Amino acid sequence: NAGVTQTPKFRVLKTGQSMTLLCAQDMNHEYMYWYRQDPGMGLRLIHYSVGEGTTAKGEVPDGYNVSRLKKQNFLLGLESAAPSQTSVYFCASSYIPGELFFGEGSRLTVL
Amino acid sequence: GEDVEQSLFLSVREGDSSVINCTYTDSSSTYLYWYKQEPGAGLQLLTYIFSNMDMKQDQRLTVLLNKKDKHLSLRIADTQTGDSAIYFCAETLISGGSYIPTFGRGTSLIVHP
Repeated sequence: NAGVTQTPKFRVLKTGQSMTLLCAQDMNHEYMYWYRQDPGMGLRLIHYSVGEGTTAKGEVPDGYNVSRLKKQNFLLGLESAAPSQTSVYFCASSYIPGELFFGEGSRLTVL
Repeated sequence: GEDVEQSLFLSVREGDSSVINCTYTDSSSTYLYWYKQEPGAGLQLLTYIFSNMDMKQDQRLTVLLNKKDKHLSLRIADTQTGDSAIYFCAETLISGGSYIPTFGRGTSLIVHP
């Protein structure tokens, strides 16, 4: 049972490039979330989904887009990366809101 | 998460008790959570407490909830070096009909011999 898997784990981008982070969960969870973690800022919610085909904005959605075409996958896209998006990104899923299962994180550096 | 407040650092000696404090804002939160993050890893759920409880004990962990003051604490008895990590308090807020887990900034626990 893999739980929550994020790919890639590391990525370096140049300003203006685009990329997609993939989150996959095998627990049949309805809820999925994307957070970013920055030093001293804790976890901030970017976007979330309460079920297949649905997405909603979190606290810091600007510059990101998401899709939930399949229940098990939640994609986070950066259309035009900026240095301010350098961060560690965490995906999480849950059956019950609050009891989250996290991936190991994706470290993104934008030069 | 500005809605959940935690102190940023706590340093304790091995074998002592650690107490990590948290204040939250939404009195309607049904569940309150503590997560642990070890270096280079994601967060793992450590324990949680229902809002109708005052205390929950799980081996070395004791969670205390004061609903009147919206204060949550996590006590780790006999703290070990392996307990060194960042501890996050979290509540679940209701926004637009959805339940949104909201985290504090995390408390870095440093355990020294």
